[in-house]
Amino acid sequence: AQRVTQPEKLLSVFKGAPVELKCNYSYSGSPELFWYVQYSRQRLQLLLRHISRESIKGFTADLNKGETSFHLKKPFAQEEDSAMYYCALRGRDDKIIFGKGTRLHILP
Amino acid sequence: ETGVTQSPTHLIKTRGQQVTLRCSSQSGHNTVSWYQQALGQGPQFIFQYYREEENGRGNFPPRFSGLQFPNYSSELNVNALELDDSALYLCASSLAGDLYNEQFFGPGTRLTVL
Repeated sequence: AQRVTQPEKLLSVFKGAPVELKCNYSYSGSPELFWYVQYSRQRLQLLLRHISRESIKGFTADLNKGETSFHLKKPFAQEEDSAMYYCALRGRDDKIIFGKGTRLHILP
Repeated sequence: ETGVTQSPTHLIKTRGQQVTLRCSSQSGHNTVSWYQQALGQGPQFIFQYYREEENGRGNFPPRFSGLQFPNYSSELNVNALELDDSALYLCASSLAGDLYNEQFFGPGTRLTVL
């Protein structure tokens, strides 16, 4: 079964502290993984994808096939990082499977 | 370049009624995907349309149907509405064959079924 699990519904982090949003997946084969973000009153948008190995707004995510994880990390949280974050997997039939999301709240 | 638009923004219906939601894809895109996002959940894939044909479907009953038009805009139709159909409905457009095939999302239509 194809599944994406985000174990934390809410993560509160102080400004300047490191951030790690957890994501685990279940997929047989080579997955294509993404992180999407939704800021307050804005539409869902792609933050980063594992195949491009990029850092966006200071965030990075490494695909760990052994642990079937794709955790999102940032060394120093900023207030503007407060948002809803969704881990997602592109499965068979090209459909995207989303996790339930983690709300990141940056404390001043 | 215009982004993905959806109409209406909000909609209230009663059980048993039928509803049609509309989506205009981003300029240059030829594929539209529809998602249902219930409160507190991530978006769930309903189906995708490419060149006016259904191109993949999630675990939704046949009363969820769709159309794609020659200009690549799309409709989502839901018959015999149930209370559990209350959700935010998102559409996303993309360009098939593009290197990353990135999906761009619309703002959503909030459907309430009473």
